Amino acid sequence: SYELTQPPSVSVSPGQTASITCSGDKVGDKYVCWYQRKAGQSPVVVIYHDNKRPSGIPERFSGSNSGSTATLTISGTQAMDEADYFCQAWDSTTEGVFGGGTKLTVL
Amino acid sequence: QITLKESGPTLVKPTQTLTLTCTFSGFSLSSSGVGVGWLRQPPGKALEWLALIYWDDDKRYSPSLKSRLAITKDTSKNQVVLTMTNMDPVDTATYYCAHGVSPIAVAGFDYWGQGTLVTVSS
Repeated sequence: SYELTQPPSVSVSPGQTASITCSGDKVGDKYVCWYQRKAGQSPVVVIYHDNKRPSGIPERFSGSNSGSTATLTISGTQAMDEADYFCQAWDSTTEGVFGGGTKLTVL
Repeated sequence: QITLKESGPTLVKPTQTLTLTCTFSGFSLSSSGVGVGWLRQPPGKALEWLALIYWDDDKRYSPSLKSRLAITKDTSKNQVVLTMTNMDPVDTATYYCAHGVSPIAVAGFDYWGQGTLVTVSS
């Protein structure tokens, strides 16, 4: 079965750039979404279609997807960005598989 | 304003069938392009996509759980129902329903319910 691998945790200082990776075989050929899940809340999509930002999501969130790695980048990270982040990839065979999630800590 | 809310049992016994209902407002599941999906997250583990139904009754299932799942819609009641057979303790999780617009594979799930915790235990 298809697997997406994320680092369990990423730490970043306020104002710095956080990068969260999502690795999988030819993930660049699939559509990737990124979800943010804060403690006690439901997930929120922060990136869809690899690099598109829904309305209401701050410009500091961006995404890329190529080859075997998709990346979520948060520029100028703020304390409010501390959350778990999950990537999800879709295609006709994998349907909607999720990565294991990354806990972002803003120190 | 789009809202979704999950309802169903909080406790089920192993081997039983789980039936969850997603009641939504703010959109119609008869509108072209609209879909509702079910997802879950076991405690301390990753999100898992389970099933998806579109306005035209197109249904998709997680390959690994397909044999145990069934998703249906009642457009008149604004509800989507998920049934999962042969429940096991490993199915203990918070179950979410979520809204999306076709193709959800591209756009993702843009509105989520609050989730409902289902525990499988004898």
